[in-house]
Amino acid sequence: IVLTQSPGTLSLSPGARATLSCRASQSVSSNYLAWYQQKPGRAPRLLIYGASTRATGIPDRFSGSGSGTDFTLTIRRLEPEDFAIYYCQQYGSSRYNFGQGTKLEI
Amino acid sequence: QVQLQQSGPGLVKASQILSLTCVISGDSVSSNSAGWNWIRQSPSGGLEWLGRTYYRSKWENDYAVSVKSRIIINPDTSKNQFSLQLNSVTPEDTALYFCARGRGGLHYFDYWGQGTLVTVSS
Repeated sequence: IVLTQSPGTLSLSPGARATLSCRASQSVSSNYLAWYQQKPGRAPRLLIYGASTRATGIPDRFSGSGSGTDFTLTIRRLEPEDFAIYYCQQYGSSRYNFGQGTKLEI
Repeated sequence: QVQLQQSGPGLVKASQILSLTCVISGDSVSSNSAGWNWIRQSPSGGLEWLGRTYYRSKWENDYAVSVKSRIIINPDTSKNQFSLQLNSVTPEDTALYFCARGRGGLHYFDYWGQGTLVTVSS
């Protein structure tokens, strides 16, 4: 399964709403789709799994939605610490793979 | 709190073996509900899952097709850790390598190591 994220770069201001897309080349089994946030020099941080379940400690301004081949990560009311790169990952098959990332910049 | 601590050399010569270790605290490498993974990130930023080891009544491994012929991931229950061995490396194997815990039978990755930058010199 190939995951294509869009846009490549998203330029927004603090307080705005961000909508990030992840499109799969075929249906993701059981909506096994995760989202991660990565900041420079750090490991990725799990935000969302199962397409819409927030991981432990993740603020409720982060939300995930979608099914089948189209998934969305929404961040409402951007905080300065939210500017980072975001990756989606499918785990519907045992050959896990990631999207190429969306850079969220100020 | 699960923590993963990586160790290993940052420089490997081409055609040699890349070896990294990931020590687990707060969980067990023998857990029946987790898997232990290696993931790398290329200099351009792309994330690539390499493989995993996990215990479900017996030890199992899954490997990415791209590296299947030259990768070994082994658990070490006595030290509660797991390791990556990547043979016959080339400069294309230069990357930031992460270990990560996978949850469930099919994995998302909820805890990650700090990352090890490995450069393959020609």
